[in-house]
Amino acid sequence: DSGVTQTPKHLITATGQRVTLRCSPRSGDLSVYWYQQSLDQGLQFLIQYYNGEERAKGNILERFSAQQFPDLHSELNLSSLELGDSALYFCASRDRDTQYFGPGTRLTVL
Amino acid sequence: AQSVAQPEDQVNVAEGNPLTVKCTYSVSGNPYLFWYVQYPNRGLQFLLKYITGDNLVKGSYGFEAEFNKSQTSFHLKKPSALVSDSALYFCAVRDKDNAGNMLTFGGGTRLMVKP
Repeated sequence: DSGVTQTPKHLITATGQRVTLRCSPRSGDLSVYWYQQSLDQGLQFLIQYYNGEERAKGNILERFSAQQFPDLHSELNLSSLELGDSALYFCASRDRDTQYFGPGTRLTVL
Repeated sequence: AQSVAQPEDQVNVAEGNPLTVKCTYSVSGNPYLFWYVQYPNRGLQFLLKYITGDNLVKGSYGFEAEFNKSQTSFHLKKPSALVSDSALYFCAVRDKDNAGNMLTFGGGTRLMVKP
């Protein structure tokens, strides 16, 4: 158990809908990273927050957004969902040089 | 830009034999290198990392990796494979000077250990 929690574990929704994925970092970690794992794109970095501020952006679509709250949990919002958004979404928190990953949220868009 | 290549989609090895999972990387500066393992329906588990110092790094579950700067490689090794080592392995890199610390992952290598 990495200490990073993610909810929900599974999410099934329809095209055009909006969902919110939640992540709680390990106790004491200020950074949260979001990654997407899909069969065709592999593991890709989406976005990073540090202590409530956006720090870096990767291959994140404009339909996706994230935020980090004062208690350091983070939410990833995915809107206008398409079939191709079906993937496993991971968050990670960082302790010094090492990122520790949560169990992921599997999103299925039908 | 940083990138990682894992040239083998799958590695097959018999239980008790040594295993190697290959990784090569490209960064503009000094690399920080990582190996993660993913079991079915689970998240990524950290195995080991190279930051600086000794080129041979030891990690969890008996795994080790050797950093080779001239060959820009960071191959994962284990002297004696177990069936329970069967999983998906990812190599990742970040540039030491990358302020965001985001990782770039290879495509993954599926390790199959047969009894």
